[in-house]
Amino acid sequence: DAEITQSPRHKITETGRQVTLACHQTWNHNNMFWYRQDLGHGLRLIHYSYGVQDTNKGEVSDGYSVSRSNTEDLPLTLESAASSQTSVYFCASSGSLAGGIDEQYFGPGTRLTVT
Amino acid sequence: AQSVTQLGSHVSVSEGALVLLRCNYSSSVPPYLFWYVQYPNQGLQLLLKYTTGATLVKGINGFEAEFKKSETSFHLTKPSAHMSDAAEYFCAVTRGGYQKVTFGIGTKLQVIP
Repeated sequence: DAEITQSPRHKITETGRQVTLACHQTWNHNNMFWYRQDLGHGLRLIHYSYGVQDTNKGEVSDGYSVSRSNTEDLPLTLESAASSQTSVYFCASSGSLAGGIDEQYFGPGTRLTVT
Repeated sequence: AQSVTQLGSHVSVSEGALVLLRCNYSSSVPPYLFWYVQYPNQGLQLLLKYTTGATLVKGINGFEAEFKKSETSFHLTKPSAHMSDAAEYFCAVTRGGYQKVTFGIGTKLQVIP
């Protein structure tokens, strides 16, 4: 069965370190998204991609970067981790070429703690 | 711009009672609307979606929602709550095309035995 996976599931890191969270999907979806989930804020979009070599900033992109070199993967990098980036991170994908109408399929999440 | 407002961050119902989770949206064009459910320590999964056509949409696990354009609402209902319905529910809106999806802040549903 097709799926979307994230690794690691839990990560503790120190302030200032670079961290990369992996996201891999086997749906063959064009569109991939990274969100962070925080109490009282719901899900907020960090970065998204509508295809290989395409990346776009979301509403909370400062301090994060992504790259899309193939269809299956969209790794999220925290350039210099900050305590404000402690959160649960979700990757999602969708298959619509238009990007918006099809449902998004979510990974299980990565809980990141920055100390 | 588009936005979603979920009224009530926490809702408690008794087992067997009606579940009503409220969602109001703002969109300058006809919206596409979704309800997602998140169980503890899991990602979100789709409950139901409205794109076009019938305004009453049926989803999984006995849930349904009605798109009311005049009220800009997309409330989620279930006639009889089950303990397994305890989860967090997110309403989401998009205008379609290459527009991003905007999520509400979520409503945590507690089911009391």
